Amino acid sequence: GDSVTQMEGPVTLSEEAFLTINCTYTATGYPSLFWYVQYPGEGLQLLLKATKADDKGSNKGFEATYRKETTSFHLEKGSVQVSDSAVYFCALGDQGAQKLVFGQGTRLTINP
Amino acid sequence: NAGVTQTPKFQVLKTGQSMTLQCAQDMNHEYMSWYRQDPGMGLRLIHYSVGAGITDQGEVPNGYNVSRSTTEDFPLRLLSAAPSQTSVYFCASSPPTGPPTPLHFGNGTRLTVT
Repeated sequence: GDSVTQMEGPVTLSEEAFLTINCTYTATGYPSLFWYVQYPGEGLQLLLKATKADDKGSNKGFEATYRKETTSFHLEKGSVQVSDSAVYFCALGDQGAQKLVFGQGTRLTINP
Repeated sequence: NAGVTQTPKFQVLKTGQSMTLQCAQDMNHEYMSWYRQDPGMGLRLIHYSVGAGITDQGEVPNGYNVSRSTTEDFPLRLLSAAPSQTSVYFCASSPPTGPPTPLHFGNGTRLTVT
């Protein structure tokens, strides 16, 4: 079945550092890909999405590109802030279905 | 605009007790779902519903029941709680049809079964 694998956490960086969180997927069709963010004590919020190969999703300085050839959707940000500290989830959803498959989550801590 | 509302926020149960986790949304979304979140395992789908009167099982349905009598509400029932059901539970909703649209999540219910 479909699956999502994220890089192991936790990840700790200093403010203004460059961030990459790796995400790879296995799917039989052509899924849409998502990054969700979870701040402490809250539910998940959509961060960005891409619905087809080579699409780039972006939001709040974060970017991710849908790479079909490497089955990847890595999350990047050029300069992180303390407020970016959260848990980040990569997810995929098959076309025509609303069910999402999530990765295990990566906890990110940014130190001032 | 309340979005997705889950109650209670915290609950402690003894093994064998039953309870219902409530979920309500005010966005007229047809699709609703329940996930559980466990450390190192991400979110796993328990049950979902594509509209009133229609429910189906997800990845980890055992020990849980759901019903969908209205578009707004999607309660999750634990008939006989077990320690393995200690988790954080999230309800989510989204509009229907077409490519997968982003899910709107509630703030979760933290359940402990002793």
